[in-house]
Amino acid sequence: AQKITQTQPGMFVQEKEAVTLDCTYDTSDPSYGLFWYKQPSSGEMIFLIYQGSYDQQNATEGRYSLNFQKARKSANLVISASQLGDSAMYFCAMREPTRGDDKIIFGKGTRLHILP
Amino acid sequence: DAGVIQSPRHEVTEMGQEVTLRCKPISGHNSLFWYRQTMMRGLELLIYFNNNVPIDDSGMPEDRFSAKMPNASFSTLKIQPSEPRDSAVYFCASSLGGGADTQYFGPGTRLTVL
Repeated sequence: AQKITQTQPGMFVQEKEAVTLDCTYDTSDPSYGLFWYKQPSSGEMIFLIYQGSYDQQNATEGRYSLNFQKARKSANLVISASQLGDSAMYFCAMREPTRGDDKIIFGKGTRLHILP
Repeated sequence: DAGVIQSPRHEVTEMGQEVTLRCKPISGHNSLFWYRQTMMRGLELLIYFNNNVPIDDSGMPEDRFSAKMPNASFSTLKIQPSEPRDSAVYFCASSLGGGADTQYFGPGTRLTVL
């Protein structure tokens, strides 16, 4: 079974609109971490935001916020006021510390297109 | 601060040749990861090291692939002999390790095997 599910292979959004990229995860660990990465067409993988399972508040970093709904095992990325430069592939990922290692598991990604 | 450094950025080689990819992790990071990304298979973890010791190499596709980390500031991924199906982007990433989670990626090496 997939640990990280991103159901939207592609999205088209008008510039300046808010964007929500979906991510659901599957774990039985009480302690875990969730990540979002951005991969623009230039190819690099850029870390955006992190949410720990015990964090009380939803993580925010500038225009990025993580809508963390623990009971639903959902960790959606919200981008406010989208810009043309937000066009990229976005990956959701998870780490389960009780595995005893530092590996993180990536979803298959969502390709976001921002339209002018 | 310098991020993760990878070299070369691009490599074109012929089938059967040996390929060596290099990575310098962020100073002070204890965990290092090698990934491969293709359109068909997405992002795959090949191997990861903690404190220079290989912890999990279950993602290494076959014996043609090998990785070393002789010290805390350098790692290599070697493919010998290379095959066209090895064409991909290879990423190196590092993290503090020991529960500090965030992995920071290098720019990647785009490998083309003709």
